[in-house]
Amino acid sequence: AIQMTQSPSSLSASVGDRVTITCRASQGIKNDLGWYQQKPGKAPKLLIYTASSLQSGVPLRFSGSGSGTDFTLTISSLQPEDFATYYCLQDYNYPLTFGQGTKVEIK
Amino acid sequence: QVQLQESGPGLVKPSETLSLTCTVSGGSISNYYWTWIRQPPGEGLEWIGYVHYSGNTNYNPSLKSRVTISLDKSKNQFSLKLSSVTAADTAVYYCARRVATKPVYCFDYWGQGTLVTVSS
Repeated sequence: AIQMTQSPSSLSASVGDRVTITCRASQGIKNDLGWYQQKPGKAPKLLIYTASSLQSGVPLRFSGSGSGTDFTLTISSLQPEDFATYYCLQDYNYPLTFGQGTKVEIK
Repeated sequence: QVQLQESGPGLVKPSETLSLTCTVSGGSISNYYWTWIRQPPGEGLEWIGYVHYSGNTNYNPSLKSRVTISLDKSKNQFSLKLSSVTAADTAVYYCARRVATKPVYCFDYWGQGTLVTVSS
């Protein structure tokens, strides 16, 4: 199975900060990667698919980039509603695998 | 608006079979991969497997010997059965719709999740 490694596992940031989360795949996955946001007690929510495509309704401050093995999720200006845990997911082959998550906390 | 809703027992005894159903409303069940994903308390997400509208299935090898996912087109429902459960199967179970039409692959709709506890 492809292993997905996210970094950092957690971070503290302030409202207005630029935040970057990385995800590395154990083998090349082209651009078959998604990013999901999960708030406590809620289901994950799709933010980005195929590495850089913004899901409808998701604010433009979210962006994704990368291909092959290295990917990035960027929040250009962190908002109060963005404090959550973020997961990457490789959609390249089965079994589908998630990163371990990055928790974004308030500084 | 597509909605998914999980249902089933919240408590299952060790060695028994966990059974959950996901009801899909507000959209067609055709041409998607209907998927189960779970999340142990305080941990990350694990893909369990899917059933496609065609009836094809695919399961996580770590669970394959114990998992069955099936589709009831007449009821717009799909189901999960996980046999011989242990405490390690305690988790929130999510159903989700997967789009897998090149070049788009993603889980675009999710159920709210249901906590299943394995305990005697």
